[in-house]
This record gives sequence, structure tokens and C-alpha cells, in this order.
Amino acid sequence: AQSVAQPEDQVNVAEGNPLTVKCTYSVSGNPYLFWYVQYPNRGLQFLLKYITGDNLVKGSYGFEAEFNKSQTSFHLKKPSALVSDSALYFCAVRDGGPVSGGYNKLIFGAGTRLAVHP
Amino acid sequence: DGGITQSPKYLFRKEGQNVTLSCEQNLNHDAMYWYRQDPGQGLRLIYYSQIVNDFQKGDIAEGYSVSREKKESFPLTVTSAQKNPTAFYLCASRPRILGIGETEAFFGQGTRLTVV
Repeated sequence: AQSVAQPEDQVNVAEGNPLTVKCTYSVSGNPYLFWYVQYPNRGLQFLLKYITGDNLVKGSYGFEAEFNKSQTSFHLKKPSALVSDSALYFCAVRDGGPVSGGYNKLIFGAGTRLAVHP
Repeated sequence: DGGITQSPKYLFRKEGQNVTLSCEQNLNHDAMYWYRQDPGQGLRLIYYSQIVNDFQKGDIAEGYSVSREKKESFPLTVTSAQKNPTAFYLCASRPRILGIGETEAFFGQGTRLTVV
């Protein structure tokens, strides 16, 4: 069964330092991977996705993620954290099996709370 | 502006009552989803719909019901059979994919349901 793991409940980073939020996945077939961010009492906002091609994916707000097939990981990164990056981050995966309307379910991790301190 | 709208933002339910959460999108998306969010558990899929008049159960469908009579609308009813309905509910939509490709899901702003 497909699954997503975010091993850290919370990540603490000082402003200006690089940040990493970890995600590992398990799927049958090729994975389609996503990162979303959620601010308090709001919906999820899309940050970036990996479908195919370059393993380093660049997204919104200076975030990027590195797809590593051998380690089944898709860690979210940013070279220099901002206090405004503090939020809840979700990794998600869709089984990339034969496309038949693209209706495979999106499976989300439990989320990682990022706290960036001034 | 195109988008996905959930209403109300906050909803209070008495024990034994059914309540319906609204989700409307004007993005012309075929697929729509309902997720439940509890602290520390991420998002869990309740129901999803690929096309009008069709929907499938997700991982935690018990105590919930949906309908998809129009492409734009996917209301979720939380019935009295749902024993622990207090949660944050998120609706999402995605366009239909033909051929190779993938798009992200677009989310509404959520409805916080509290049982009183």
C-alpha cells in the first residue's frame, strides 16, 4: 500500500539558516510527489511537485525538493529560512501507475511543523 | 477569481444532528475530494468523486455521506453516526488528466466543525 512518512513532528531553525523537512514514501509504480504548506486555520497551498525529469525541483517562495529514488525520499529544502516560513508542511504522494484519468488518490503524511526563530 | 470555496468557516453541531458542509469550485475540475484533519494525523481521505453522479469511499467514510449532482459542487454530510466529528474538514479539486502528466490539488480554506 502506498504511504508517506514525515519522521519529524517539528523542525526548529534559526532565521537565515538552511532548512530541511524530511519525507519518505512507499508506492507501487512511479511516484508523483508533492509538498504543500498550511498556515493556521487555512487550506493547503501547493509548493512544488516531482513528476519526472530533474531530481531537484524548484517551487514557490524559494523552496526546493530533492527526489532520491534509491532512498525513496523527497526532502524539502530552503537555503535561508525566514520567520514567515513558520507553518505546517505536508508531503503527499500519488501512485504513478498507468494514467487512466489521473484519479489515483493523494496520500498525505502527518505533517511537520516548521518553527523559524529570529 | 477562480477557486474553491468552503462554507461555513466554523460550524457547531449538537449531538445527534446531521450537518452539511458546502464545497463549490469554479475551476472546471472533474475530481473533488474531502479530507479530515486532526492534530498529529495529517489529512485522511473521506470521499472522492471523479465525475458527476459518481463518488468513492476513502479511508474513513463511515458516518459521512456525499453527493455530486453538479460538477461544481461536492457537499459533505456529517451524520449522527459519526462518533467523533470534531475536526477540520478540507475540500480539494483537481482537473482530469489525459495522457502523461500530473497536477496539484487545489484546496479550500476549510471548515472547522465542533460538536457541542
